[in-house]
Amino acid sequence: GESVGLHLPTLSVQEGDNSIINCAYSNSASDYFIWYKQESGKGPQFIIDIRSNMDKRQGQRVTVLLNKTVKHLSLQIAATQPGDSAVYFCAENSSPGGTSYGKLTFGQGTILTVHP
Amino acid sequence: KAGVTQTPRYLIKTRGQQVTLSCSPISGHRSVSWYQQTPGQGLQFLFEYFSETQRNKGNFPGRFSGRQFSNSRSEMNVSTLELGDSALYLCASSQGPDSGNTIYFGEGSWLTVV
Repeated sequence: GESVGLHLPTLSVQEGDNSIINCAYSNSASDYFIWYKQESGKGPQFIIDIRSNMDKRQGQRVTVLLNKTVKHLSLQIAATQPGDSAVYFCAENSSPGGTSYGKLTFGQGTILTVHP
Repeated sequence: KAGVTQTPRYLIKTRGQQVTLSCSPISGHRSVSWYQQTPGQGLQFLFEYFSETQRNKGNFPGRFSGRQFSNSRSEMNVSTLELGDSALYLCASSQGPDSGNTIYFGEGSWLTVV
């Protein structure tokens, strides 16, 4: 079945380091991928997205890389700050029939801890 | 611009009762979807509505239902509550069902079933 899985459940970094969070997906028909950040007690917050016709997209301090050949997605955070500490989820848009509605399949999440 | 608004934020119910959760999407957004988040199962898709029609449904029992109104606001209902229904219920909205429309989440409704 469809699944999106994360390789590393926890990641600890020092403030100022770059962080890389990885994600594997299994549905080759997925055409839209999103990274969310979730802080304790809050809902998922949109970080960055990428469509399947791209392999890289940059935002403010964040970069998403998509490798469709191996069905792999990664989120890079530059100069990680304590405020970046949260759970990070990747999600894929995987509606049946290839039509993309609002159904997202989420990975299990990675806990990022940034030490001052 | 206000974000996705969910009410109530916290509630406690007894087994066997039913609960209704409400979601107001971002202004102009017409697609609303619901997710259940638990420590054991993570984030799981419940259903999605667009133009008052359910477009997608996740793998949940019929006790879970929802609807969307003409103003795009949505409600979900869980009947005959079970202890395992305790979870964070998240609502998300987007402009429409096309791929690539950013999906934004609300802060969720925390449901505890005792």
